[in-house]
Amino acid sequence: GAVVSQHPSRVICKSGTSVKIECRSLDFQATTMFWYRQFPKQSLMLMATSNEGSKATYEQGVEKDKFLINHASLTLSTLTVTSAHPEDSSFYICSARPNRAGVTDTQYFGPGTRLTVL
Amino acid sequence: SQQGEEDPQALSIQEGENATMNCSYKTSINNLQWYRQNSGRGLVHLILIRSNEREKHSGRLRVTLDTSKKSSSLLITASRAADTASYFCATAGTSYGKLTFGQGTILTVHP
Repeated sequence: GAVVSQHPSRVICKSGTSVKIECRSLDFQATTMFWYRQFPKQSLMLMATSNEGSKATYEQGVEKDKFLINHASLTLSTLTVTSAHPEDSSFYICSARPNRAGVTDTQYFGPGTRLTVL
Repeated sequence: SQQGEEDPQALSIQEGENATMNCSYKTSINNLQWYRQNSGRGLVHLILIRSNEREKHSGRLRVTLDTSKKSSSLLITASRAADTASYFCATAGTSYGKLTFGQGTILTVHP
């Protein structure tokens, strides 16, 4: 159990276009999901905390108008990179924290989405 | 911001040897977690140790936590080539809190 999927796994787009990445918890509900960005050979940087039914909380330095987050249900959060530019090319990873009692401090990570902006 | 500092940044060993990775952090924590990431893939949760625990085992993994020194170590015993990956520590300020990741250690196990 506790599987998180991401779609797409890889996307290549032209500069100026918008890209939507989906994060789904497949066998559990998650009120809270997290979005991270990882540049090559670097660690994960938290971008924002996604909360079902409310606005996302963004980390300092992350543009909320550029990285739109929608947590529409207890199993789905989406990250939209608007007007993507080459510097947005990165590996985007989501994680989800189960609502199940006793499992509140463990996050389960998706397989990541590789975004390349030409 | 990145709280955790890990050392070494890279570790190369032979199969069968033990691998030790260290993680230091700056602020108080509720728990510390270790993750593994294979190249270009997502993260796999390895083990979680809470601030009131000092040592934890899971299979070939042994994690220690010293809150007075704000440091943790991950020991992988009898390493295998399949253990080759990047290993990250991550701290949580509260039980429900967001994770702050360390810089990671790249482990290479030669067959």
